[in-house]
Amino acid sequence: GQQLNQSPQSMFIQEGEDVSMNCTSSSIFNTWLWYKQDPGEGPVLLIALYKAGELTSNGRLTAQFGITRKDSFLNISASIPSDVGIYFCAGQSSNTGKLIFGQGTTLQVKP
Amino acid sequence: GAVVSQHPSRVICKSGTSVKIECRSLDFQATTMFWYRQFPKQSLMLMATSNEGSKATYEQGVEKDKFLINHASLTLSTLTVTSAHPEDSSFYICSALDSSQGYQPQHFGDGTRLSIL
Repeated sequence: GQQLNQSPQSMFIQEGEDVSMNCTSSSIFNTWLWYKQDPGEGPVLLIALYKAGELTSNGRLTAQFGITRKDSFLNISASIPSDVGIYFCAGQSSNTGKLIFGQGTTLQVKP
Repeated sequence: GAVVSQHPSRVICKSGTSVKIECRSLDFQATTMFWYRQFPKQSLMLMATSNEGSKATYEQGVEKDKFLINHASLTLSTLTVTSAHPEDSSFYICSALDSSQGYQPQHFGDGTRLSIL
């Protein structure tokens, strides 16, 4: 099925470093979402973006919705060990509410 | 708010068994629920969309007779994997939203790990 292109696929960083990941799509979405998934659990919503160009923060997390509505990035500042997990971007259809997910970025943080 | 509960969290059963998974919205009315399947190290793939009181809409390639979905109330949807086989082993996750409030972000359950022996 259709997927968003998310990169990088995985990251291994030192505690305290900043992290950046991004997603691109060939389709326009009116809503972009960023989720985090811990092993054996469902995804948890981190940030929701609704307007083109919107920049939104949630604690150490910052995400931006691209002007073209076809891309988004997520930044994590001053990473800590509990940031470990898989981060997914998702585009949401305004007509059906369906989500299309990126392939995920696996983040590992070395204490 | 927006809590979604999924049960059971883990199922191990023999090939040929039918397995039912429940998805409940605890503090809101879930007019729409979604069912996903996730294989190891892969992303979530949408299987079907269910709207309360109507038949589910299945994604291409998903067998509707294999994966029976019922959404009879505004707080409960069930997925039944009929005559499960080892290839059906996967992590199944539901999500829910109240579409009467516009398409707000989906909130997910904690998933069900299904293992077919």
